[in-house]
Amino acid sequence: AQKVTQAQTEISVVEKEDVTLDCVYETRDTTYYLFWYKQPPSGELVFLIRRNSFDEQNEISGRYSWNFQKSTSSFNFTITASQVVDSAVYFCALSGMNTGFQKLVFGTGTRLLVSP
Amino acid sequence: GAGVSQTPSNKVTEKGKYVELRCDPISGHTALYWYRQSLGQGPEFLIYFQGTGAADDSGLPNDRFFAVRPEGSVSTLKIQRTERGDSAVYLCASSERQGMNTEAFFGQGTRLTVV
Repeated sequence: AQKVTQAQTEISVVEKEDVTLDCVYETRDTTYYLFWYKQPPSGELVFLIRRNSFDEQNEISGRYSWNFQKSTSSFNFTITASQVVDSAVYFCALSGMNTGFQKLVFGTGTRLLVSP
Repeated sequence: GAGVSQTPSNKVTEKGKYVELRCDPISGHTALYWYRQSLGQGPEFLIYFQGTGAADDSGLPNDRFFAVRPEGSVSTLKIQRTERGDSAVYLCASSERQGMNTEAFFGQGTRLTVV
């Protein structure tokens, strides 16, 4: 079975602080993909990143960075110098070969509140 | 349009009624997905279309739920004899190629409330 755990239900920070959102996953697949999505109050899920299981290289995109560690089954997301516009619910998700790449299994999300 | 469009944005219906939710994917996207998001939860997979056919409907909770995509573009999710437990946001997504290992784009969802 596949499972994604986002233990942090809600995080509150003040603007310009760095914040890390945790994601731990479980899968028996050797080939899988990990994702992060942002869901602002408008409700639309916005794709942020996709990472396949064979690529453990960390990635940085502007203020966003991702740390993928297969040894701990984690795919954490860090926002540097947070801004009010970063306030949203962030979801980590997983898709794997055996259950089909057409399905995403989502975590329960972490609500990030950035105050000015 | 530029993105995935879902209509209506909000739907309130009485228990026992029939509802249809519509999804207009991005033009040219062959793959279409429906997810359901209950309050405080992550989205859960319902069904996946590749072209006109439902390639995977394993997420549909029971036979009251049905979805079609007759011309390989617009899709309609149909719920019969609605129950209060069906209240959720129904999200649609589309992608250019098969599988969510490619980038999928989500609509803003239809919020269904069954009273």
